[in-house]
Amino acid sequence: DGGITQSPKYLFRKEGQNVTLSCEQNLNHDAMYWYRQDPGQGLRLIYYSQIVNDFQKGDIAEGYSVSREKKESFPLTVTSAQKNPTAFYLCASSVLARFTEQFFGPGTRLTVL
Amino acid sequence: AQTVTQSQPEMSVQEAETVTLSCTYDTSESDYYLFWYKQPPSRQMILVIRQEAYKQQNATENRFSVNFQKAAKSFSLKISDSQLGDAAMYFCAYAGTASKLTFGTGTRLQVTL
Repeated sequence: DGGITQSPKYLFRKEGQNVTLSCEQNLNHDAMYWYRQDPGQGLRLIYYSQIVNDFQKGDIAEGYSVSREKKESFPLTVTSAQKNPTAFYLCASSVLARFTEQFFGPGTRLTVL
Repeated sequence: AQTVTQSQPEMSVQEAETVTLSCTYDTSESDYYLFWYKQPPSRQMILVIRQEAYKQQNATENRFSVNFQKAAKSFSLKISDSQLGDAAMYFCAYAGTASKLTFGTGTRLQVTL
């Protein structure tokens, strides 16, 4: 089955620690995205990548970092510089074309203790 | 920059009835796509329907249809014969020439017996 997997489903972090969220896809999509979802604010774009070894900042990139070493993988690191990291994080992928819809993973709930 | 506005934070509909969710957007582009995504309690984002801006005909997918008014920049979703499984958050999204989606803040739909 083709799809997007995210792990873990729930993640707890102490203040001051970096944490990495995993996102893997086997849809052969070139583009991958990370979103943050907070209550009442919809989805906000953190980072996106259209090709291996290249990525761009989204609307709320501060305190986050990403890498794209493989086409299938786009991990997100939430650093200690992110002031309010508790949120639901969604990964998505799409073919590299204009106007295309994105396919989403099941998400990771990050809680800072 | 493009913006997407969903002015109804919550809506309620009785089972078997019809409900319309509103969405307006702002853009200076002439070519774009619009989407409605559904997010049930599992939080998995699911594509419901999409509309190409160049098409005058409104998109339909079974019980789901849209009313696309390009001049008014309006894109509403109509759900007919509502079912309990339709209860979810619904997000309107815009895709323009940039390879990313802009989401509205969502409408929570409750379906009652």
